[in-house]
Amino acid sequence: EAQVTQNPRYLITVTGKKLTVTCSQNMNHEYMSWYRQDPGLGLRQIYYSMNVEVTDKGDVPEGYKVSRKEKRNFPLILESPSPNQTSLYFCASSLWPAGATYNEQFFGPGTRLTVL
Amino acid sequence: KNQVEQSPQSLIILEGKNCTLQCNYTVSPFSNLRWYKQDTGRGPVSLTIMTFSENTKSNGRYTATLDADTKQSSLHITASQLSDSASYICVVSAGTGANNLFFGTGTRLTVIP
Repeated sequence: EAQVTQNPRYLITVTGKKLTVTCSQNMNHEYMSWYRQDPGLGLRQIYYSMNVEVTDKGDVPEGYKVSRKEKRNFPLILESPSPNQTSLYFCASSLWPAGATYNEQFFGPGTRLTVL
Repeated sequence: KNQVEQSPQSLIILEGKNCTLQCNYTVSPFSNLRWYKQDTGRGPVSLTIMTFSENTKSNGRYTATLDADTKQSSLHITASQLSDSASYICVVSAGTGANNLFFGTGTRLTVIP
């Protein structure tokens, strides 16, 4: 089954404790993105990747890191989490750039992160 | 400023009734517009993608319309079912790049028996 998986689905942590949220897709997609979703704000892009070893900042990259060592995986790293990073996080992948016409973006199930 | 606004914020309808959700945008340049359905606790799932040359696109009981002149889109749901209860998100692309999607905040639809 074609899918994007994320782990963990739920995470409660404390300020400053490094964490990684994993994302994996099995569709051989070139493009992957991380978004955060907050009430009243809609989805905002954190980072995106166009291919292995090629990543770039989205709209809200502060406090986050990513890596793309393999095509299928795109982990999100929070080196020193803070309470304002409490949010719902989604990983997405697509064959073409996210905004391309008729290009469908597939989203993971989400990771709900709480930073105390 | 590129923005996508959706209305209403929330909507409650009876099972079997129709409803229409609205999306107004000021995104420029315009490439395409998408509607997503997001069930509670799940990731968004694509319903339709339309370019400026498409006025209407259907996906089962979901029909999206687009008026590129007035920069408005609507999503019409026919004969609603309990499983239609979800958030519906309008997304506008300002080009074909990897980082130029603008997301609305969604309309939360609740269908009651």
